[in-house]
Amino acid sequence: DQQVKQNSPSLSVQEGRISILNCDYTNSMFDYFLWYKKYPAEGPTFLISISSIKDKNEDGRFTVFLNKSAKHLSLHIVPSQPGDSAVYFCAARGYNAGNMLTFGGGTRLMVKP
Amino acid sequence: GAGVSQSPSNKVTEKGKDVELRCDPISGHTALYWYRQSLGQGLEFLIYFQGNSAPDKSGLPSDRFSAERTGGSVSTLTIQRTQQEDSAVYLCASSFNWGGGTPKGNEQFFGPGTRLTVL
Repeated sequence: DQQVKQNSPSLSVQEGRISILNCDYTNSMFDYFLWYKKYPAEGPTFLISISSIKDKNEDGRFTVFLNKSAKHLSLHIVPSQPGDSAVYFCAARGYNAGNMLTFGGGTRLMVKP
Repeated sequence: GAGVSQSPSNKVTEKGKDVELRCDPISGHTALYWYRQSLGQGLEFLIYFQGNSAPDKSGLPSDRFSAERTGGSVSTLTIQRTQQEDSAVYLCASSFNWGGGTPKGNEQFFGPGTRLTVL
């Protein structure tokens, strides 16, 4: 039973446009949500996070939105750049689960110049 | 650099053999995690260590999997009698702290992974 799902395995966007990556979860005990970015042959790197008590967090070109009622979060990248091309993983941390993360399956983003 | 390192980067083995995967965490990080990523799948939690506490082994898929962390630093993930379904990229991560608080303070830094192929 996947508790964190990314239903789009891939996304292609033109440079300069907005990229929207989506993530759904089922466990209402998750208290933090994170996005990781992964380039080929490298480990994932932390990108941005959001607490379950907030609905938006912004960091430069990256904004994460959380809709708790829908158990849905999204990552917006504006403007998209070719260097953003990577696999993006959504992850969630359970309340009282320490720092253990549950990851989604990832979405491969391709930003075309 | 001072990041998380893993060795080997690639490992090909025959079904039934034992393998050992190594992780060197960032110096000073008290928590260490093992994940694996099977083809087309997300990262699956396997085990984590925090300081001198007993490790959380709840993610290990079978008793063929075990892990140790010696001296609170280097960790070894051992898979006995490997099976073809064990083929995956095994990722190690470490963090300075463990537990509550913002993920940023407990940010997990990942190594490049070990790609295991069981023939």
